Amino acid sequence: NAGVTQTPKFQVLKTGQSMTLQCAQDMNHNSMYWYRQDPGMGLRLIYYSASEGTTDKGEVPNGYNVSRLNKREFSLRLESAAPSQTSVYFCASSEAPGLNTIYFGEGSWLTVV
Amino acid sequence: GESVGLHLPTLSVQEGDNSIINCAYSNSASDYFIWYKQESGKGPQFIIDIRSNMDKRQGQRVTVLLNKTVKHLSLQIAATQPGDSAVYFCAESKSTSYGKLTFGQGTILTVHP
Repeated sequence: NAGVTQTPKFQVLKTGQSMTLQCAQDMNHNSMYWYRQDPGMGLRLIYYSASEGTTDKGEVPNGYNVSRLNKREFSLRLESAAPSQTSVYFCASSEAPGLNTIYFGEGSWLTVV
Repeated sequence: GESVGLHLPTLSVQEGDNSIINCAYSNSASDYFIWYKQESGKGPQFIIDIRSNMDKRQGQRVTVLLNKTVKHLSLQIAATQPGDSAVYFCAESKSTSYGKLTFGQGTILTVHP
């Protein structure tokens, strides 16, 4: 029962470097999301994809780009990492937008030095 | 009480006691509410949800109460166990908002054997 799988789990980047966080879900869900969680805070939505072929900005999209590669996969890219992007990143998915349970991956710990 | 920055509200209970975790939500237009449990180093795990046309919903050992008049949500855990120790987040959403969740800050629940 894999659910939502994220890679890598841990990453250290230097300021200005780029990287891509990968996410895949095996539940045949239509909607996928990327959230970030900073210490002592709840999760904040970065980008989401309501369905394959669509992506939209969430609450904190600046400094990020996303790609919905296919129904299963949704990647998050940092083009030029900044220390303010040090955070834990969670990918999530739901059957459809709206009133559906959202399932989260285990998280990716990113440190930008 | 209120918390700022890194200082999450905390609740300490004895094993077997009932726990009540409270949450004030901000958007009167929200019509879908969810409680998540997050254990250290893991992603949020769905516990229970409730729609705005209900004021109470029960699950296994958990009950969610919704008071729309004062924009208040609570999670009751019966016969709390050490395995219930975690951070608990409430989240709100509008059914038309494509599953975008707005998370509260979280409450740390510690269950003492």
